[in-house]
Amino acid sequence: EVQLVQSGAEVKKPGESLKISCMASGYIFTTHWIGWVRQMPGKGLEWMGIIYPGDSDTRYSPSFQGQVIISVDKSISTAYLQWSSLKASDTAMYYCARPSRSWYRDDAFDFWGQGTMVTVSS
Amino acid sequence: EIVLTQSPGTLSLSPGERATLSCRASQSVSSNYLAWYQQRPGQAPRLLIYGASSRATGTPDRFSGSGSGTDFTLTISRLEPEDFAVYYCQQYGDSPPITFGQGTRLEIK
Repeated sequence: EVQLVQSGAEVKKPGESLKISCMASGYIFTTHWIGWVRQMPGKGLEWMGIIYPGDSDTRYSPSFQGQVIISVDKSISTAYLQWSSLKASDTAMYYCARPSRSWYRDDAFDFWGQGTMVTVSS
Repeated sequence: EIVLTQSPGTLSLSPGERATLSCRASQSVSSNYLAWYQQRPGQAPRLLIYGASSRATGTPDRFSGSGSGTDFTLTISRLEPEDFAVYYCQQYGDSPPITFGQGTRLEIK
């Protein structure tokens, strides 16, 4: 059974750094890209970027380029999303998600993590 | 970047009725790479339709997708109580970035 299990909720102060995780199981990790999606409170879905675990090839949405870093540790089948200096506007639910077809970067997401709520407040 | 505009913003219907949700793209979606997701409160999105008209595994057959180019539709033939949720369209034919519509809230009348 394919599962994406994300790390728990975080409460941080502005200016702090953060790295959240998404651990995959039930399939061969290096055969599928892993994407990240933001959902601000009461708002819609925003595609942030995507990484290929096989070689760490990464693509970002222009809206998030330079704001976050997406990485992966294929030895533990885990993808990461990190910030070096959080802002209050980073408060949101963050989902990892897997494109449905092997090796396809641009695809519908058939499996999603449960989400990680990040709250940034002084 | 392809902008997706969903209409209506909110749709109020009763169980048993037919729902028609629209998604319009600012330019043609390559290969009809258009998906629909359902999101219930407190849950992650769930893939319903991909490739504009193919049902994902586990999607009931009361859900159907249609359309091509810039105009796409999600139809729910007879609403069940569990269908009242928010629905998003997504294009993945022109990336990066993949883009989502702003969502349609389907509420009980």
